[in-house]
Amino acid sequence: QVQLQESGPGLVKPSETLSLTCAVSGGSISSNYWSWIRQPPGKRLEWIGNIYNSGSTNYNPSLKSRVTISIDTSKNQFSLKVNSVTAADTAVYYCARSSGWLPDSWGQGTLVTVSS
Amino acid sequence: EIVLTQSPGTLSLSPGERATLSCRASQSVSSNYLAWYQRKPGQAPRLLIYGASSRVTGIPDRFSGSGSGTDFTLTISRLEPEDFAVYYCQQYGSSPLTFGGGTKVEIK
Repeated sequence: QVQLQESGPGLVKPSETLSLTCAVSGGSISSNYWSWIRQPPGKRLEWIGNIYNSGSTNYNPSLKSRVTISIDTSKNQFSLKVNSVTAADTAVYYCARSSGWLPDSWGQGTLVTVSS
Repeated sequence: EIVLTQSPGTLSLSPGERATLSCRASQSVSSNYLAWYQRKPGQAPRLLIYGASSRVTGIPDRFSGSGSGTDFTLTISRLEPEDFAVYYCQQYGSSPLTFGGGTKVEIK
């Protein structure tokens, strides 16, 4: 059964870049879509975007100008970068495997706080 | 984008009771691509239902989904102690994917 684990800094300064990695085990990243989703405190879940193993990406228009999702098939992992972060980017960030566009297996999530 | 509204926000029930959760979309969900997830504190969200009514392999049959178009329902026929959690609906028929605000099912 596929397992996903998010990793990265838990604290990022305003205006800097948030960087997270999702390690995939128990399955190959060379198939399926792979997604990032977040949940700010007290707010609903927000889909950030996804990537296919070919490198083709789809992003939420609300974040598209600041977000990059990439994939490294040699390491069986994919990554998220969010530029120019503000306090509004404070959230629990989840990575997920998607069947088609449906996120069907999720990581446990990692809290990222934006603060000086 | 499609806005999903879940109701009620909190459902207080006893084990053995029936839970009915609602998810209403601001516009028709393409191909009824509506999913339900369960989330417990400190755990990864778990996919329960996809395509509005298809149960994921391994999910107990006390969980069922129904509905089409803009109105969808998740029913838990008899609540077990492990079912007390937060439930989210999500549409994946059009981009951007969107989620409902969640329904917390708590022990009465």
